[in-house]
Amino acid sequence: KQEVTQIPAALSVPEGENLVLNCSFTDSAIYNLQWFRQDPGKGLTSLLLIQSSQREQTSGRLNASLDKSSGRSTLYIAASQPGDSATYLCAVMGTYKYIFGTGTRLKVLA
Amino acid sequence: GAGVSQTPSNKVTEKGKYVELRCDPISGHTALYWYRQSLGQGPEFLIYFQGTGAADDSGLPNDRFFAVRPEGSVSTLKIQRTERGDSAVYLCASSDLAGGSDTQYFGPGTRLTVL
Repeated sequence: KQEVTQIPAALSVPEGENLVLNCSFTDSAIYNLQWFRQDPGKGLTSLLLIQSSQREQTSGRLNASLDKSSGRSTLYIAASQPGDSATYLCAVMGTYKYIFGTGTRLKVLA
Repeated sequence: GAGVSQTPSNKVTEKGKYVELRCDPISGHTALYWYRQSLGQGPEFLIYFQGTGAADDSGLPNDRFFAVRPEGSVSTLKIQRTERGDSAVYLCASSDLAGGSDTQYFGPGTRLTVL
């Protein structure tokens, strides 16, 4: 059974710092991995999707990497801003459904 | 174009009552998914539709939960005899699997509170 773990559970950093969020999964037979952002009381916003054949994806200040063999993904956020404060969720797709981690709650202090 | 929409945005009900939650997927998306997110947790899969049929309902917690998608577009999640433990945010997503895309687009969710 696929299990997804995210570390740390919460993170508080001063504005401008570069930071790394970690995601690990137990079954490497994944179809893709996606990072989402969730603001309080809101739905999910897709940030980056990495197909199983890819190693990384980049969008603006965000970079996500995938190492299937070790069951790990990282989300790198450069030059963090207060507007980045949210919960970040990692999700892996086996066949067609996502298995989510419990998220990392990020707070960027001005 | 319009994204996935869900109604109502909030639903408060009493224990034992019946509720229906609606999802309008992105037009043309053949695949539709329901997830449930409890407080402090990540979303958990409930059911997946491909067209009108439920391709996988293995995530439904018990027989009080049922979902339909009669015309292959709008879906309704139905919960009978609600319990306090059913309180959560119910998320719907859709994807254009028939068009070769596995990207799931999520709606804003319905927050269900069972008193």
